[in-house]
Amino acid sequence: DAGVTQSPTHLIKTRGQQVTLRCSPKSGHDTVSWYQQALGQGPQFIFQYYEEEERQRGNFPDRFSGHQFPNYSSELNVNALLLGDSALYLCASSPSRGQGYTFGSGTRLTVV
Amino acid sequence: GNSVTQMEGPVTLSEEAFLTINCTYTATGYPSLFWYVQYPGEGLQLLLKATKADDKGSNKGFEATYRKETTSFHLEKGSVQVSDSAVYFCALTGRGSNYKLTFGKGTLLTVNP
Repeated sequence: DAGVTQSPTHLIKTRGQQVTLRCSPKSGHDTVSWYQQALGQGPQFIFQYYEEEERQRGNFPDRFSGHQFPNYSSELNVNALLLGDSALYLCASSPSRGQGYTFGSGTRLTVV
Repeated sequence: GNSVTQMEGPVTLSEEAFLTINCTYTATGYPSLFWYVQYPGEGLQLLLKATKADDKGSNKGFEATYRKETTSFHLEKGSVQVSDSAVYFCALTGRGSNYKLTFGKGTLLTVNP
């Protein structure tokens, strides 16, 4: 049974560019959350998607947007990249009932 | 809002030493509490959890007890191994909800042979 799959694993982008990160949730999970983990810090909640809608959002600017597809997979989009967006981006899936977060291995984004 | 404060690292121990990583929290209501572990180059793995006061979570020799009176959830292990070297994160989420996890900053543990 596959866990949470994220792609790509590593990415290098230039300031001002746009990036899309992808996440496939664990089988049986219908809720996807995204986190940003800067170097040496704990993960920070970006937003959560359920039933293809953003259910909750953390303190991130509108440059960060997302989408959830009917098969529950999700994308995280970041526009107008800044150097400070360099981080590990983690996707976590969970079932809508109960608490059972499963994290992916993350996408390491470097903005130069 | 919710917040988690955990012991600053790094923590360096010899194999078979006793481990304590302190974690305290601030939250409204009755949060659920978690410890996650992150090995180098990997994502987060759930280590243990507790969902109500006085519950003890345990896994792989690690334990933590949900103390509402002191708003704490300290992680302990009686005898650490080299393979326990990793970053440990304390986290919480609102009780009964499936909403966001709030993490501490993490504690790097290095265990030497």
